[in-house]
Amino acid sequence: EAAVTQSPRNKVTVTGGNVTLSCRQTNSHNYMYWYRQDTGHGLRLIHYSYGAGNLQIGDVPDGYKATRTTQEDFFLLLELASPSQTSLYFCASSVTGTQYFGPGTRLLVL
Amino acid sequence: GQQVQQSPASLVLQEGENAELQCNFSSTATRLQWFYQHPGGRLVSLFYNPSGTKHTGRLTSTTVTNERRSSLHISSSQTTDSGTYFCAIDRTGANTGKLTFGHGTILRVHP
Repeated sequence: EAAVTQSPRNKVTVTGGNVTLSCRQTNSHNYMYWYRQDTGHGLRLIHYSYGAGNLQIGDVPDGYKATRTTQEDFFLLLELASPSQTSLYFCASSVTGTQYFGPGTRLLVL
Repeated sequence: GQQVQQSPASLVLQEGENAELQCNFSSTATRLQWFYQHPGGRLVSLFYNPSGTKHTGRLTSTTVTNERRSSLHISSSQTTDSGTYFCAIDRTGANTGKLTFGHGTILRVHP
């Protein structure tokens, strides 16, 4: 099974704060993804990437930036966090087809 | 409208009963996948099943692409099957992995 790790696992910040969520995969997958999961909405794609230096916009990108620094590392940045960004965030990676998910990061914006 | 619809929204079973979860999608581009989310939140892939039937253990996935539907059958359910089941499609048709998820089916299996 592919290994995808996320940090931190839990984060609390205040409105207007800066938050960086980290994701690392160790299986040399080309594609990486950031999702958020909210009750009543399922999982929604924020940003994704085809490789180092590449960034593609997902379905709910507003308020988020992302950066893919290496094949392994994909970061999600919230520069001015708002309470509406309180959510469970998942990172995933894939070669083709099956996506492998990290354990998730719970973010609370007060 | 919603591009991936799952039914039922929730399901309660007694251990040993079978379950049939449905997924209907509005796009012809599928690359359909089924996922399971543990009660604690962990997501795992069950099937990558763009068409046809696949089996693993007590699980069977059948996708009929031209009818825009897929099903997940769980036989002889166990309490450890409890959790949320999602189907998702790659509606771009280019295998980008840009998935659109349904809202999930919450399954509870009682002993």
